[in-house]
Amino acid sequence: KQEVTQIPAALSVPEGENLVLNCSFTDSAIYNLQWFRQDPGKGLTSLLLIQSSQREQTSGRLNASLDKSSGRSTLYIAASQPGDSATYLCAGNAGGTSYGKLTFGQGTILTVHP
Amino acid sequence: KAGVTQTPRYLIKTRGQQVTLSCSPISGHRSVSWYQQTPGQGLQFLFEYFSETQRNKGNFPGRFSGRQFSNSRSEMNVSTLELGDSALYLCASSSQSFLNEKLFFGSGTQLSVL
Repeated sequence: KQEVTQIPAALSVPEGENLVLNCSFTDSAIYNLQWFRQDPGKGLTSLLLIQSSQREQTSGRLNASLDKSSGRSTLYIAASQPGDSATYLCAGNAGGTSYGKLTFGQGTILTVHP
Repeated sequence: KAGVTQTPRYLIKTRGQQVTLSCSPISGHRSVSWYQQTPGQGLQFLFEYFSETQRNKGNFPGRFSGRQFSNSRSEMNVSTLELGDSALYLCASSSQSFLNEKLFFGSGTQLSVL
């Protein structure tokens, strides 16, 4: 059974810092991995999807990498801003017939203070 | 393009009642997945529908059921509500003609069972 762990559980940084969020999974047979952000009381916003044949994805100030052999993914946020404050979740799909099924970590609560 | 729409936004029910939640996917998306989010268990997969057929199911009791209509709109039903069913219910859509696609989430329905 796939289990996803996110470290740290919470992070508070001053504006402008570069930061790294970590995600690890127990089953290296992960097909793809997606990073989301969630604002309080809201749904999830997809940030980056690392597809099965990829190792990295970038969008603006965000960069995510996936190392299946070590069971780890990282989300790098450059030059953090107060608007980046949210919960960040990683989620993996096992492939095969796992349509629509993502296994989520518990999230990292990020606070960026001015 | 309109996003994923979930109705209602909030629901209050009492134990033993049943409830129906609705999800309209992004236009053109044929796959709808449902998730339950609670503070203790995080996000857990309920089921996924594609072209009116359930393709995947999580580990929830039979009180949780769903369906999808020919226009891809989906409903989920929970019968004989229990206090532990209080949660944010999220649906997500994608075209899911293959697995390497992002899931797009709605804002959720917050269900409170009293």
